[in-house]
Amino acid sequence: QQPVQSPQAVILREGEDAVINCSSSKALYSVHWYRQKHGEAPVFLMILLKGGEQKGHDKISASFNEKKQQSSLYLTASQLSYSGTYFCGTDNSMDTGRRALTFGSGTRLQVQP
Amino acid sequence: DSGVTQTPKHLITATGQRVTLRCSPRSGDLSVYWYQQSLDQGLQFLIQYYNGEERAKGNILERFSAQQFPDLHSELNLSSLELGDSALYFCASSVELGPSYEQYFGPGTRLTVT
Repeated sequence: QQPVQSPQAVILREGEDAVINCSSSKALYSVHWYRQKHGEAPVFLMILLKGGEQKGHDKISASFNEKKQQSSLYLTASQLSYSGTYFCGTDNSMDTGRRALTFGSGTRLQVQP
Repeated sequence: DSGVTQTPKHLITATGQRVTLRCSPRSGDLSVYWYQQSLDQGLQFLIQYYNGEERAKGNILERFSAQQFPDLHSELNLSSLELGDSALYFCASSVELGPSYEQYFGPGTRLTVT
């Protein structure tokens, strides 16, 4: 079942912060975050594995709450280059041989000058 | 540039026809994944291969099939095409390091069925 992302869209000014949420109705083994710019391929941002960890990548970080079956992506001091559609992909399988991500419908983020 | 290549970039064909999309993974990656992205369906997982063997299947229609060859490149075959098959088809690859599998996407093949 597809994870639910919120909000569907957000408009920011440069320097502002944003949070994108991803929640699943099933137990999660891992959560993957990708960013896709218009007309381009999705680009990997980070993976969060079961264990409730938080990860960071420059000014983009994410958390994973396996009890709540949720993950959040935090973008701080946003830059124009952050514009794009953000997708979370969830993996519900403990079978490490089977890698199948179910992607949310995406959050469209636009950063304005 | 992710290192994953896909050909062709664009494909225009008629309903009822059959096409083959090709993907070469990044050097060293054993896993290949196929995704379909359309405006109303988002990014849909189709199928995964690992070192030549099918590992996972998603929402792949019976009219679609795929394989991964000994040199690790993969092909996705779409037959009896319908208008609704028009979409962007992405291939991704990964090297699996324990439970972590970062997927690197190719540039995609845009299929238009007329």
